[in-house]
Amino acid sequence: AQKVTQAQTEISVVEKEDVTLDCVYETRDTTYYLFWYKQPPSGELVFLIRRNSFDEQNEISGRYSWNFQKSTSSFNFTITASQVVDSAVYFCALSEASRNQGGKLIFGQGTELSVKP
Amino acid sequence: GAVVSQHPSRVICKSGTSVKIECRSLDFQATTMFWYRQFPKQSLMLMATSNEGSKATYEQGVEKDKFLINHASLTLSTLTVTSAHPEDSSFYICSASKGILSYNEQFFGPGTRLTVL
Repeated sequence: AQKVTQAQTEISVVEKEDVTLDCVYETRDTTYYLFWYKQPPSGELVFLIRRNSFDEQNEISGRYSWNFQKSTSSFNFTITASQVVDSAVYFCALSEASRNQGGKLIFGQGTELSVKP
Repeated sequence: GAVVSQHPSRVICKSGTSVKIECRSLDFQATTMFWYRQFPKQSLMLMATSNEGSKATYEQGVEKDKFLINHASLTLSTLTVTSAHPEDSSFYICSASKGILSYNEQFFGPGTRLTVL
């Protein structure tokens, strides 16, 4: 069965701290895609990254970095030198290739990040 | 590019009335559109997947007669909440995909907050 688990419901840090958001997934597919989205208080989901199951290279984009490890079925997200504007709910999501429904997404429960000045 | 709009952004209605929410892809043709609902402090729950010109595929537990979905064109999908009740109050989010494959990125609308009195 497919599932995405974000065990951290809420995280609170002080500005400039580094923070890692955990994501663990379950799937029987060998081909799948993993995503991270940001949902600020306005509610609109912002796409951050997509990773396919065959690409385990870590990725860095500015202060954001992602660590994909198939061996532990994890796709963790780190924000370096956090800022108040990073405060939002972050969702990890999974799309399985076998479903072929335009990318049907299975979302984790979300992690609410609060960055205090 | 890849902008999705939703209208209205907020709606308040009396119990028993029907409410229509529109989802439009503004600068691309959306082969597939998805409808989600999100309760406060919770994750996105997929309600249905719709492909242009065909009937929507509803997720288990979602009432087809309650939540009517019409995907009349490649740029427009509508969700009608029929005979709305207070328990239907939620944040409804649509997304659009350019293709039917699992790696096709979904582009999310800003959401519609429905309050049923």
